[in-house]
Amino acid sequence: DADVTQTPRNRITKTGKRIMLECSQTKGHDRMYWYRQDPGLGLRLIYYSFDVKDINKGEISDGYSVSRQAQAKFSLSLESAIPNQTALYFCATSDLRGGLTAQYFGPGTRLTVL
Amino acid sequence: AQSVTQLGSHVSVSEGALVLLRCNYSSSVPPYLFWYVQYPNQGLQLLLKYTTGATLVKGINGFEAEFKKSETSFHLTKPSAHMSDAAEYFCEGAQKLVFGQGTRLTINP
Repeated sequence: DADVTQTPRNRITKTGKRIMLECSQTKGHDRMYWYRQDPGLGLRLIYYSFDVKDINKGEISDGYSVSRQAQAKFSLSLESAIPNQTALYFCATSDLRGGLTAQYFGPGTRLTVL
Repeated sequence: AQSVTQLGSHVSVSEGALVLLRCNYSSSVPPYLFWYVQYPNQGLQLLLKYTTGATLVKGINGFEAEFKKSETSFHLTKPSAHMSDAAEYFCEGAQKLVFGQGTRLTINP
Protein backbone atom coordinates (compact mmCIF):
# COMPACT_ATOMS: atom_id res chain seq x y z
CA ASP A 1 0.00 0.00 0.00
CA ALA A 2 1.11 3.57 -0.71
CA ASP A 3 2.58 5.53 2.19
CA VAL A 4 0.81 8.78 1.23
CA THR A 5 -2.62 8.58 -0.33
CA GLN A 6 -4.77 11.33 -1.77
CA THR A 7 -8.47 11.30 -2.54
CA PRO A 8 -9.94 11.95 -4.99
CA ARG A 9 -7.34 11.50 -7.73
CA ASN A 10 -9.34 13.55 -10.20
CA ARG A 11 -12.14 16.04 -9.65
CA ILE A 12 -14.08 18.32 -11.94
CA THR A 13 -16.20 20.96 -10.28
CA LYS A 14 -17.91 24.24 -10.99
CA THR A 15 -17.10 27.76 -9.92
CA GLY A 16 -18.39 28.53 -6.43
CA LYS A 17 -18.52 24.94 -5.19
CA ARG A 18 -16.83 23.86 -1.97
CA ILE A 19 -14.23 21.17 -2.49
CA MET A 20 -12.24 19.08 -0.03
CA LEU A 21 -9.11 17.17 -0.92
CA GLU A 22 -7.98 14.56 1.55
CA CYS A 23 -4.57 13.19 2.42
CA SER A 24 -3.64 10.25 4.62
CA GLN A 25 -0.22 8.87 5.50
CA THR A 26 1.05 5.71 7.12
CA LYS A 27 4.67 6.85 7.55
CA GLY A 28 4.14 8.14 11.09
CA HIS A 29 5.51 11.54 10.15
CA ASP A 30 4.58 14.64 12.12
CA ARG A 31 4.94 17.12 9.26
CA MET A 32 2.45 17.40 6.42
CA TYR A 33 2.20 19.79 3.49
CA TRP A 34 -0.08 20.83 0.66
CA TYR A 35 1.33 22.10 -2.64
CA ARG A 36 -0.09 23.00 -5.99
CA GLN A 37 1.76 22.38 -9.24
CA ASP A 38 1.24 24.54 -12.31
CA PRO A 39 3.19 24.23 -15.57
CA GLY A 40 6.22 26.50 -15.54
CA LEU A 41 5.76 27.45 -11.90
CA GLY A 42 6.97 24.31 -10.15
CA LEU A 43 5.44 23.50 -6.79
CA ARG A 44 4.15 26.22 -4.53
CA LEU A 45 3.39 25.71 -0.87
CA ILE A 46 -0.22 26.31 0.22
CA TYR A 47 -0.23 25.24 3.88
CA TYR A 48 1.89 23.13 6.16
CA SER A 49 1.56 21.55 9.58
CA PHE A 50 4.37 20.45 11.88
CA ASP A 51 2.08 18.61 14.26
CA VAL A 52 -1.61 18.17 14.99
CA LYS A 53 -1.93 21.52 16.75
CA ASP A 54 0.17 23.48 14.29
CA ILE A 55 -1.06 25.06 11.03
CA ASN A 56 0.96 27.52 8.97
CA LYS A 57 0.22 29.46 5.80
CA GLY A 58 2.46 28.97 2.84
CA GLU A 59 3.22 31.14 -0.15
CA ILE A 60 -0.26 30.95 -1.70
CA SER A 61 -2.83 30.28 1.04
CA ASP A 62 -5.51 32.74 -0.13
CA GLY A 63 -8.69 30.89 -1.11
CA TYR A 64 -7.68 27.73 0.72
CA SER A 65 -8.07 26.34 4.22
CA VAL A 66 -6.80 23.17 5.90
CA SER A 67 -7.63 20.86 8.74
CA ARG A 68 -5.25 18.50 10.54
CA GLN A 69 -7.66 15.94 11.90
CA ALA A 70 -4.99 13.58 13.21
CA GLN A 71 -1.29 12.94 12.83
CA ALA A 72 -2.07 10.89 9.75
CA LYS A 73 -4.69 13.12 8.09
CA PHE A 74 -4.46 16.57 6.54
CA SER A 75 -7.23 17.91 4.34
CA LEU A 76 -7.31 20.91 2.01
CA SER A 77 -10.51 22.84 1.32
CA LEU A 78 -11.45 25.29 -1.35
CA GLU A 79 -14.37 27.18 0.15
CA SER A 80 -15.55 28.63 -3.15
CA ALA A 81 -13.64 27.23 -6.07
CA ILE A 82 -12.56 29.48 -8.94
CA PRO A 83 -11.10 28.55 -12.35
CA ASN A 84 -7.56 29.69 -11.52
CA GLN A 85 -7.48 27.04 -8.81
CA THR A 86 -7.38 24.46 -11.58
CA ALA A 87 -4.09 22.65 -10.90
CA LEU A 88 -2.43 19.47 -9.73
CA TYR A 89 -2.41 19.28 -5.94
CA PHE A 90 0.10 17.30 -3.93
CA CYS A 91 0.20 16.30 -0.31
CA ALA A 92 3.55 15.49 1.25
CA THR A 93 4.95 14.40 4.59
CA SER A 94 8.34 14.59 6.26
CA ASP A 95 10.04 13.69 9.50
CA LEU A 96 12.56 15.93 11.21
CA ARG A 97 14.07 13.17 13.28
CA GLY A 98 17.66 12.66 12.21
CA GLY A 99 17.94 16.07 10.60
CA LEU A 100 16.37 17.67 7.56
CA THR A 101 14.79 14.85 5.59
CA ALA A 102 13.11 14.50 2.25
CA GLN A 103 9.42 14.93 1.71
CA TYR A 104 7.31 11.96 0.64
CA PHE A 105 4.68 12.88 -1.89
CA GLY A 106 1.29 11.47 -2.65
CA PRO A 107 0.25 10.71 -6.23
CA GLY A 108 -1.57 14.02 -6.65
CA THR A 109 -5.13 15.20 -7.23
CA ARG A 110 -5.95 16.78 -10.55
CA LEU A 111 -8.59 19.46 -9.94
CA THR A 112 -10.46 21.23 -12.71
CA VAL A 113 -12.72 24.15 -11.90
CA LEU A 114 -15.08 25.09 -14.71
CA ALA B 1 13.68 37.08 -2.24
CA GLN B 2 14.13 33.48 -1.26
CA SER B 3 14.30 31.60 -4.50
CA VAL B 4 15.55 28.59 -6.33
CA THR B 5 15.99 28.93 -10.08
CA GLN B 6 16.26 26.16 -12.62
CA LEU B 7 17.70 27.33 -15.91
CA GLY B 8 15.93 25.70 -18.81
CA SER B 9 12.37 24.47 -18.55
CA HIS B 10 13.11 21.77 -21.10
CA VAL B 11 16.34 19.88 -21.76
CA SER B 12 16.72 17.32 -24.52
CA VAL B 13 19.69 14.95 -24.83
CA SER B 14 20.51 11.83 -26.78
CA GLU B 15 20.60 8.44 -25.12
CA GLY B 16 24.11 7.91 -23.75
CA ALA B 17 24.90 11.62 -23.59
CA LEU B 18 25.71 13.68 -20.53
CA VAL B 19 22.76 15.09 -18.60
CA LEU B 20 23.19 18.49 -16.96
CA LEU B 21 20.27 20.15 -15.18
CA ARG B 22 21.00 23.52 -13.61
CA CYS B 23 19.88 24.84 -10.24
CA ASN B 24 20.88 28.10 -8.61
CA TYR B 25 19.71 29.36 -5.25
CA SER B 26 19.54 32.83 -3.81
CA SER B 27 21.89 33.69 -0.98
CA SER B 28 18.91 33.99 1.38
CA VAL B 29 18.10 30.30 0.92
CA PRO B 30 19.99 28.15 3.43
CA PRO B 31 22.07 25.58 1.50
CA TYR B 32 20.00 22.53 2.27
CA LEU B 33 19.27 21.51 -1.30
CA PHE B 34 17.40 18.54 -2.65
CA TRP B 35 16.71 17.21 -6.14
CA TYR B 36 13.48 15.35 -6.86
CA VAL B 37 12.26 13.50 -9.93
CA GLN B 38 8.65 13.28 -11.10
CA TYR B 39 7.60 10.60 -13.54
CA PRO B 40 4.34 11.03 -15.45
CA ASN B 41 1.23 10.79 -13.30
CA GLN B 42 3.25 10.35 -10.12
CA GLY B 43 4.33 12.39 -7.14
CA LEU B 44 7.89 13.57 -6.59
CA GLN B 45 10.61 11.20 -5.41
CA LEU B 46 13.91 12.17 -3.80
CA LEU B 47 16.98 11.78 -6.02
CA LEU B 48 19.61 13.19 -3.71
CA LYS B 49 20.24 15.84 -1.10
CA TYR B 50 22.93 18.11 0.25
CA THR B 51 22.84 19.29 3.85
CA THR B 52 26.39 19.34 5.20
CA GLY B 53 29.66 17.60 4.53
CA ALA B 54 30.90 16.41 1.16
CA THR B 55 29.90 18.78 -1.61
CA LEU B 56 29.62 16.06 -4.26
CA VAL B 57 26.49 14.09 -3.55
CA LYS B 58 25.53 10.83 -5.20
CA GLY B 59 21.93 9.80 -5.60
CA ILE B 60 19.83 7.09 -7.11
CA ASN B 61 19.83 6.01 -10.75
CA GLY B 62 23.39 7.23 -11.35
CA PHE B 63 22.68 10.91 -10.71
CA GLU B 64 24.96 13.18 -8.74
CA ALA B 65 25.10 16.86 -7.86
CA GLU B 66 27.81 19.20 -6.68
CA PHE B 67 27.18 21.99 -4.20
CA LYS B 68 29.20 25.08 -5.11
CA LYS B 69 28.80 27.84 -2.57
CA SER B 70 30.85 30.35 -4.58
CA GLU B 71 28.49 29.93 -7.53
CA THR B 72 25.31 29.41 -5.43
CA SER B 73 24.67 26.34 -7.56
CA PHE B 74 23.63 22.74 -7.14
CA HIS B 75 23.58 21.31 -10.66
CA LEU B 76 22.42 17.75 -11.32
CA THR B 77 24.41 15.51 -13.65
CA LYS B 78 24.44 12.00 -15.03
CA PRO B 79 27.27 10.79 -17.27
CA SER B 80 25.14 8.72 -19.63
CA ALA B 81 21.44 9.29 -20.19
CA HIS B 82 19.02 6.40 -20.35
CA MET B 83 15.55 6.43 -21.86
CA SER B 84 14.10 5.79 -18.40
CA ASP B 85 15.50 9.14 -17.21
CA ALA B 86 12.81 11.02 -19.11
CA ALA B 87 10.89 12.89 -16.42
CA GLU B 88 10.57 16.27 -14.76
CA TYR B 89 13.19 17.29 -12.23
CA PHE B 90 12.83 19.75 -9.39
CA CYS B 91 15.42 21.45 -7.21
CA GLU B 92 14.31 22.44 -3.69
CA GLY B 93 15.64 24.74 -1.02
CA ALA B 94 14.57 22.33 1.68
CA GLN B 95 14.65 24.49 4.77
CA LYS B 96 12.47 27.15 3.14
CA LEU B 97 10.25 24.68 1.24
CA VAL B 98 10.98 26.55 -2.00
CA PHE B 99 11.01 24.68 -5.31
CA GLY B 100 12.43 25.63 -8.65
CA GLN B 101 10.21 25.79 -11.70
CA GLY B 102 11.12 22.33 -12.88
CA THR B 103 13.04 21.01 -15.89
CA ARG B 104 11.52 18.49 -18.22
CA LEU B 105 14.17 16.06 -19.50
CA THR B 106 13.60 14.37 -22.83
CA ILE B 107 15.84 11.55 -24.05
CA ASN B 108 16.24 11.04 -27.79
CA PRO B 109 16.95 7.53 -29.03
